[in-house]
Amino acid sequence: DVQMTQSPSSLSASVGDRVTITCRASQGISNSLAWFQQKPGKAPKSLIYDASRLQSGVPSKFSGSGSGTDFTLTISSLQPEDFAIYFCQQYKTYPFTFGPGTKVEIK
Amino acid sequence: EVQLLESGGGLVQPGGSLRLSCAGSGFTFRNYGMNWVRQAPGKGLEWVSDISGNGGSTYYADSVKGRFTISRDNSKNTLHLQMNSLRAEDAATYYCAMGVGMNVWGPGTTVTVSS
Repeated sequence: DVQMTQSPSSLSASVGDRVTITCRASQGISNSLAWFQQKPGKAPKSLIYDASRLQSGVPSKFSGSGSGTDFTLTISSLQPEDFAIYFCQQYKTYPFTFGPGTKVEIK
Repeated sequence: EVQLLESGGGLVQPGGSLRLSCAGSGFTFRNYGMNWVRQAPGKGLEWVSDISGNGGSTYYADSVKGRFTISRDNSKNTLHLQMNSLRAEDAATYYCAMGVGMNVWGPGTTVTVSS
């Protein structure tokens, strides 16, 4: 199975900060990577697919990059509504696997 | 608007069965593969199963293989997950999600496994 890791596991940031989350796959997955945002008590929401393609309706402050084994999600200017948990997921190889999540908290 | 709505969750005893459903609307259901993903309380996301658009291909996580069966009825725009031999560790909120990239998710349905 492809193991997904994320760093950091949590971070504290202020409104307006630029935030970067890293996701690493245990083997190459090309660009078959998605990013999701989840708020408490809610279903995950798709932000990015194919590593860098913004999902329709998602603000451009979110961006993704990477290919192979190393990927990043960047939020250019953190807003109050962005405080949530962010997960990466690979869909190159079955079983699909998720990273453990990165919790973004208010400083 | 693309929407997914799960149903069928509830309380079941260990060893019991439950059938989850997911109704899709706002898109051509048969054109998309569909997934089930679960999340135990306070835990991360775990992919459970997926099925191709025509239902001809199915895949399962090892943790549910042989116990869960995914299926779909494209005439009714509905996805199903038949869950047998349920265990305490199957307790979770179950989400259906559309497409390989899981572009759209339903709100989830909760499964509790307890005697």
